[in-house]
Amino acid sequence: QVTLRESGPALVKPTQTLTLTCTFSGFSLTTSGVCVSWLRQPPGKALEWLARIDWDDDKYYRTSLKTRLTISKDTSKNQVVLTMTNMDPVDTATYYCARIVGAKGFDYWGQGTLVTVSS
Amino acid sequence: EIVMTQSPLSLPVIPGEPASISCRSSQSLLHSSGYNYLDWYLQKPGQSPQLLISLNSNRASGVPDRFSGTGSGTDFTLKISRVEAEDVGVYYCMQGLQTPYTFGQGTKLEIK
Repeated sequence: QVTLRESGPALVKPTQTLTLTCTFSGFSLTTSGVCVSWLRQPPGKALEWLARIDWDDDKYYRTSLKTRLTISKDTSKNQVVLTMTNMDPVDTATYYCARIVGAKGFDYWGQGTLVTVSS
Repeated sequence: EIVMTQSPLSLPVIPGEPASISCRSSQSLLHSSGYNYLDWYLQKPGQSPQLLISLNSNRASGVPDRFSGTGSGTDFTLKISRVEAEDVGVYYCMQGLQTPYTFGQGTKLEIK
């Protein structure tokens, strides 16, 4: 079955770089049409899409965060990595990775990982 | 960036009664394929979001048929024919037409 799991630090300091890893199973990121995205949800707020990486290595980013985000994949490890530079307290959120195939919606989600930005 | 606007933001419902949530987009979500690229998600308390409906009206696997999605262009509606206690949570619409994908503010459904 399809599973995704996020991992990374629970606490980062302002100005530091956050690195999150999404480890998945049950599908391949080399299959045409398969993509993985990162999304986040600040406490008590709505969902925000951050980035997407496609089976062909195309990458897309949230416009307002484009200069701070980098998404990459390691197909041999079934992992997608998101880095976000210059972290700020407003980046405190639960970060999710999710799969999307074509335009059929995010059909599988990880359990999320809460990242707190504080000195 | 496409702006998504949901209403209402809070929805108290008596079990067994119907419910509907509206979602409007700042530009048409109708793709050249003929599909509207509009998805609905439910985030139950303490859980990750789950896909309810994709491409406007296609229920995801395992989603009860009391959930239905309608609409076209810029106006969309999620309908629950008979609300059950397990339906509580926050409902989000999301446009999948173009990146950046964008979500509505969320509608919190609670049981009266």
